[in-house]
Amino acid sequence: VQLVESGGGLVQPGRSLRLSCAASGFNFEDFAMHWVRQAPGKGLEWVSSINWNSRSTDYADSVKGRFTISRDTAKNSLYLQMNSLRVEDTASYYCAKERGYTYGSDMDVWGKGISVTVSS
Amino acid sequence: IQLTQSPSSLSASVGDRVTITCRASQDISSYLAWYQQKPGKAPKLLIYAASTLQSGVPSRFSGSGSGSDFTLTISGLQPEDFATYYCQRLNTSPFTFGQGTKLEIK
Repeated sequence: VQLVESGGGLVQPGRSLRLSCAASGFNFEDFAMHWVRQAPGKGLEWVSSINWNSRSTDYADSVKGRFTISRDTAKNSLYLQMNSLRVEDTASYYCAKERGYTYGSDMDVWGKGISVTVSS
Repeated sequence: IQLTQSPSSLSASVGDRVTITCRASQDISSYLAWYQQKPGKAPKLLIYAASTLQSGVPSRFSGSGSGSDFTLTISGLQPEDFATYYCQRLNTSPFTFGQGTKLEIK
């Protein structure tokens, strides 16, 4: 069971970035997925979640209207489209799999994280 | 709903028993999980549904509580337990994390 994030990097304020998370070792289509971030030296912040069939999505207030979560079952991949990026979006972004089969459960598998730096 | 962990940091010795508290601003039933995070690593699930030990997690970890007050207890600290611990509210968005408790070696 593995999650591998990609797509991070350095971006200017106001620009966009798309994170990807490649899933393997489990039936991706059966589980809700999440993005969690951690600013340098700070705690964990839940960012966004999507249920197994993409019909339910949720966002933290800090990213609502700017970030969009999506998934592609055929590619076993989770995405986070980040628009209008701000300096305060600088963080390591983790992709996480939900443990249970109900949306809103805890997260039992995490990727190693990908760094996003927003700076001019 | 806010989750407030206490203490924010804690110093303890190998073999000690430590307790970390997580208080929710509203009743969240048993929809709470605990995670451990070591520097530069992803979080690791320890406890879910407030008191159920995740598979593979040592039995020295235990969780209790319901409603708005929850505790994570580590009985007999081991060197590998020195890390930061987070609680998380579940079931209903936003899936908020507590601010974390850093457990350091005395």
